[in-house]
Amino acid sequence: KNQVEQSPQSLIILEGKNCTLQCNYTVSPFSNLRWYKQDTGRGPVSLTIMTFSENTKSNGRYTATLDADTKQSSLHITASQLSDSASYICVVSAEVGNKLTFGTGTRLQVTL
Amino acid sequence: EPEVTQTPSHQVTQMGQEVILRCVPISNHLYFYWYRQILGQKVEFLVSFYNNEISEKSEIFDDQFSVERPDGSNFTLKIRSTKLEDSAMYFCASRLRTGAGRTEAFFGQGTRLTVV
Repeated sequence: KNQVEQSPQSLIILEGKNCTLQCNYTVSPFSNLRWYKQDTGRGPVSLTIMTFSENTKSNGRYTATLDADTKQSSLHITASQLSDSASYICVVSAEVGNKLTFGTGTRLQVTL
Repeated sequence: EPEVTQTPSHQVTQMGQEVILRCVPISNHLYFYWYRQILGQKVEFLVSFYNNEISEKSEIFDDQFSVERPDGSNFTLKIRSTKLEDSAMYFCASRLRTGAGRTEAFFGQGTRLTVV
């Protein structure tokens, strides 16, 4: 069964600090991995998409890494801002079929 | 910037009633999806739709659920007889193409369905 697990469940950091969120997946055959940001009560918004051949992908202060051998990904946020407070969801797509498999997300809170 | 729009933003209905959730996908997209998120839980896949038919559905998507693209722009999710456990945020998404491509899936802002 395809699964995506994330850690930590929640995280509180001070504004300006960096943080790293983790994702492990067991989706096979793997197609691509995405990181989404979801504000409370809103739809997910894509941050990055990576295929198995890509090790790292940046989008502004967000940098995602992917190790397709160990089936792990991370999302690094640098110089955090209050507006970064949201849930960050790791989402994996299989080669076969159309659906995205969502992780449970990491709830990030950035405080003063 | 093109976006997926969903209406209504919040729907309250009595148990046993039928509801229709509406979505307008991005105009040139070809693949359409419904997902749901029960409060405090992860987003779950319901159904995907392509070329006017369902291409994949989850075990959640039972006979009480149906989807339709009646007029080439709207994409609807119907729940025939709502249950309390159908209370959730329902997200519509669309994609230009599918398969192994790295195409972006764009999500709407969701419809919060409350069954009382």
